[in-house]
Parts: sequence; structure tokens; C-alpha cells
Amino acid sequence: QQQVRQSPQSLTVWEGETAILNCSYEDSTFDYFPWYHQFPGESPALLIAIRPVSNKKEDGRFTIFFNKREKKFSLHIADSQPGDSATYFCAAHSGGSNAKLTFGKGTKLSVKS
Amino acid sequence: GPKVLQIPSHQIIDMGQMVTLNCDPVSNHLYFYWYKQILGQQMEFLVNFYNGKVMEKSKLFKDQFSVERPDGSYFTLKIQPTALEDSAVYFCASSLEGGDAEQFFGPGTRLTVL
Repeated sequence: QQQVRQSPQSLTVWEGETAILNCSYEDSTFDYFPWYHQFPGESPALLIAIRPVSNKKEDGRFTIFFNKREKKFSLHIADSQPGDSATYFCAAHSGGSNAKLTFGKGTKLSVKS
Repeated sequence: GPKVLQIPSHQIIDMGQMVTLNCDPVSNHLYFYWYKQILGQQMEFLVNFYNGKVMEKSKLFKDQFSVERPDGSYFTLKIQPTALEDSAVYFCASSLEGGDAEQFFGPGTRLTVL
């Protein structure tokens, strides 16, 4: 069964700390792993993504760590800012050209100042 | 960035009625998707659509569901008849290409079936 598990459900960090959001999957055919974030009242938007050929992807303060053997990946948000407060969804792509995303349940991140 | 619009933002209907959810995708995108999110759960893939045809659908895409995009207008999801378990937020997405191309999401339509 295609599933993506995400934890924690909610996370609170202080400004300047690193927030760590975790996901795991079961299906080895997943071939692309994006993270989306969603601010209240807005659309989910792509934040950063990784393919299994890499074990790390950085974009500014955002880093994905990917462990293919353990089928786990995580999003690290360094130097967290109050503006990072949002819900973060991990996802996994399958289906080849017939794209579909399998999403985690989301992590609600609150950054306190 | 590119925006996907969804109309309406909230729809309340009685069980058994028909409902049409409308999506205005990014103008030059060719691939279109619907996802369903029940309160407190993850977004789940319903269907993708390309070149006027359904390419793949999940088991959640019941016989009562249909999609179309007539003449490049709105990409629509029609549910006829609706059931209580159809209450959810429905997200539309579009992408320029298939595969792992970035999918751009709309803000969702909250459907409440009474």
C-alpha cells in the first residue's frame, strides 16, 4: 500500500532554532520527494524537493536529508523564523508520466519569538 | 508565481444533489489533478487529466465522479449524486508537464454535504 507517514503532527520551536520534520515511506517505486508548505488560507506551495539519487538537498535555510536504505527523509529548517510558521506536507511521486503525489498528514509548525 | 484558482471556496449542498467544483489552472499548463482532503487527514490523489482524457484515477474516484475541461475553460470535478462521505476539501492542481514536474495547487474548495 502506498503510504507516506509524517511526524510530528505539530511542532513548536523558538526563533533561531532548527526545526526537524520527518517522513517515511514503504513503496520503493517512489522516485521524487517534494515538500510543500501551506500558510492559512493559501494554497500549498512547493518548498523544496529531492530525487533518490541524492541524499541531501539544500536551498537556503531549508535542507532535505534522504536515507534510501531506511526509506526516510526529513526537512530541516535552520534559523527558524516566525514567518516559517505554516503547515508542511511531505509527499512522494509515483506513476511515471502519469504523475500523482502521495502526501503525508502534515506538520503544523509554530515558530515563537 | 503562477496561480491556480478554485471556485467556489465553500459549497454546502444536500445529500443526493449534484455539485460541480471549478478550477482555473495556470494558463499554459497541460496536466490537471484533483486531490481530496478529509478534515485532519492527508491530501489524497483522485485523478489526473491530460489531453482531454483521464490518465489515472484512484479508488476514491467513484463512479459518481467525473472530470472534464471543455474547450480550455475550467477544469471541473462533478459529483452526481453526492454522499455524506464526499464532505472534504478538494484541491485542484496543474503542471506544465507530467512526471515529477511541479504541481501548482489551488486554495481548495470546502464541500459540505448535509
